[in-house]
Amino acid sequence: SYVLTQPPSVSVAPGKTARITCGGNNIGSKSVHWYQQKPGQAPVLVIYYDSDRPSGIPERFSGSNSGNTATLTISRVEAGDEADYYCQVWDSSSDQGVFGGGTKLTVL
Amino acid sequence: EVQLVQSGAEVKKPGESLKISCKGSGYSFTSYWIGWVRQMPGKGLEWMGIIYPGDSDTRYSPSFQGQVTISADKSISTAYLQWSSLKASDTAMYYCARQVTARVFDYWGQGTLVTVSS
Repeated sequence: SYVLTQPPSVSVAPGKTARITCGGNNIGSKSVHWYQQKPGQAPVLVIYYDSDRPSGIPERFSGSNSGNTATLTISRVEAGDEADYYCQVWDSSSDQGVFGGGTKLTVL
Repeated sequence: EVQLVQSGAEVKKPGESLKISCKGSGYSFTSYWIGWVRQMPGKGLEWMGIIYPGDSDTRYSPSFQGQVTISADKSISTAYLQWSSLKASDTAMYYCARQVTARVFDYWGQGTLVTVSS
């Protein structure tokens, strides 16, 4: 089945830019979605279709996808962005969804 | 307003059966797939399966096929996840979520914590 690989952790200082990657074989041919999960809460969709933002998500959140890597970029990071982030795609060959292992974003 | 409201926390013994629920409101329940996602303690999200309440078409991850049953009752806008014989390893938080075009989950339930312990 399709495998998505994320770094376990990313650290960034407030006001800087955080980049969280999601690797997969030819992931650029798929639509990638990103979820934010804060402790004790349900996940929240922050990016869909590689780079679209749901209403209510700040413009500081953006996404890109090409080749074997998709990237979630958070600009001007705030303390409130500290959370776990998961990428997700649909694997059409097995007709199922797949999540990455998740990345813990720490704001220093 | 779209809402998915899940049933409350459960504490069960190994071998017992269980059925948890997810009630949708604020949208046409029969027009969107509902998915289930497992999160074991301290771990990541796992895609379990989805159901289309309009005709009960269901898809399972191979990891969960045969281990759980996903169903829906469209007359009461409710999806279900059930086990016939729980194991300690089923201890986890379970989320339901609405799936839209491009197979993305746009709205999530609050989660149901299932604890299986003797």
